[in-house]
Amino acid sequence: AQSVTQLDSQVPVFEEAPVELRCNYSSSVSVYLFWYVQYPNQGLQLLLKYLSGSTLVKGINGFEAEFNKSQTSFHLRKPSVHISDTAEYFCAVSTPGTASKLTFGTGTRLQVTL
Amino acid sequence: DADVTQTPRNRITKTGKRIMLECSQTKGHDRMYWYRQDPGLGLRLIYYSFDVKDINKGEISDGYSVSRQAQAKFSLSLESAIPNQTALYFCATSGGQGSYTFGSGTRLTVV
Repeated sequence: AQSVTQLDSQVPVFEEAPVELRCNYSSSVSVYLFWYVQYPNQGLQLLLKYLSGSTLVKGINGFEAEFNKSQTSFHLRKPSVHISDTAEYFCAVSTPGTASKLTFGTGTRLQVTL
Repeated sequence: DADVTQTPRNRITKTGKRIMLECSQTKGHDRMYWYRQDPGLGLRLIYYSFDVKDINKGEISDGYSVSRQAQAKFSLSLESAIPNQTALYFCATSGGQGSYTFGSGTRLTVV
C-alpha cells in the first residue's frame, strides 16, 4: 500500500521569502507524485507532477519540486512567495498501471503575510 | 462545459435522509473515484471504479454506496445521512499515465 506524509500542517512565511513544503511517501513499487493546490473555497488545481525522467519538475506559478528516490521525498519549493500563494497544498502519490489510485497527504496550509 | 461535473454544488440535508451525489464526465475515462475532504485529514478515497462492471471500496466506504450507471456516470449515495458525513466531496476520473481530472466538488452539510 502507498501512503503520503506531509510533515507540516501549517507554514507561515513572509511575502517574497522562499518556501519549502515537505512531502514524504511510502510505496513498494514505482510511483507517480503530484502536488495540488486548493485556494479558499475552490477545488483542486494541479501544480505539477512527476511521472518519470528528470527529477526536478517545474510547475505553474513558479513552483518546482524534486523527486528524491533514496529519501522517498518530493518537496515543493518556491524561491519567492506572493500573498496570492496563500492556500492549502496537497501532496499525492499513485502507481503506474491499471489499478492506480491517488492517495493524498493531509495537506499543508501556506499562509503568506506582508 | 466542465470535463467532470458534480451535482449538486451545495446541499444541506437532515440526519437520516437519503441523498445522492452525482458525477458525470466527458473525458471518456474508464476510471472514476469518489473522495471526501475534511479539514486536517486531506482527501480520502471512498469508492472507485475501473470500469462499468467494477466497483471497489476505498479506505472509508462505511455509510456510503455507489452506482456506475455508465462509463460517464458515477453516483455516490448516503443511505441515511449523519452529521459526521458533513464534508466536501470530490469526484475524479483517470485515463491512466498519471492523468487525473477532478470535479469542482459538492459541499454537503448534514444537520
